[in-house]
Amino acid sequence: KAGVTQTPRYLIKTRGQQVTLSCSPISGHRSVSWYQQTPGQGLQFLFEYFSETQRNKGNFPGRFSGRQFSNSRSEMNVSTLELGDSALYLCASRLQADLISDTEAFFGQGTRLTVV
Amino acid sequence: LAKTTQPISMDSYEGQEVNITCSHNNIATNDYITWYQQFPSQGPRFIIQGYKTKVTNEVASLFIPADRKSSTLSLPRVSLSDTAVYYCLVGATSGTYKYIFGTGTRLKVLA
Repeated sequence: KAGVTQTPRYLIKTRGQQVTLSCSPISGHRSVSWYQQTPGQGLQFLFEYFSETQRNKGNFPGRFSGRQFSNSRSEMNVSTLELGDSALYLCASRLQADLISDTEAFFGQGTRLTVV
Repeated sequence: LAKTTQPISMDSYEGQEVNITCSHNNIATNDYITWYQQFPSQGPRFIIQGYKTKVTNEVASLFIPADRKSSTLSLPRVSLSDTAVYYCLVGATSGTYKYIFGTGTRLKVLA
C-alpha cells in the first residue's frame, strides 16, 4: 500500500513568486491536512480538508490556501512568497475525520521550500 | 484544544528504558493522547495512542493516570536509531478536528 506522496520534494523560489505543492494521500483516505515546519516555530497546522471541504484552518495569512479534489488529492498554494515561508511543508492523510478513535495521521516526507 | 508540555530534550544510553512525560492539564473528555516520532527531514510517524490506563504495542507503552492530565511514553531498551523528536498531542475528532504539535522532546541515544 503506497504511503502519502508529496511532490516536489525540493523547491527553490524567488520572493514574490507563488508556489503550488501537491499531496496524494493513502488510497481510501479522505482527510488531508497540511503543516509547516520551521526550526523556529516547529510544526504548525495550516489547514485540513475532508471530502473537498476545508474543515479547519490554522493561523496563517490568506496567502496560504489549499484545495482538495474528488480523488482526495490535495494542493496547497502560497502566493507572494516571503523569505519566512522557507520551510518543510508536510501533508498528512487520515482514513476519515469523523471517528473519535480514528486519529492516526500518516505523513508524507514533505516538500522542502526555499525562498530566496 | 488542550496544550501539551514536554521536556525539551533528553539523553539516554543504548539498552535503557526511556520515559517521556507529557502534561496536558486541560484535556477534554473526548480527547485522545497520541505520540509521534520524527526523524530529521521526514514527516512524523505514529507511535501509539491511548485514552486511559495503559496501552502497549510492539514499539512502546503509554501510561495514562486516572485524571488524564499527563501521560508517559515508555520506550523499552532504546537503540541509536531511536534518536528523534517525540511529540505528544491531544485532540479529538468532533467535526472541528485539528492537531496541535508542541515543541516535542528531542531524545538523543548515546552508545
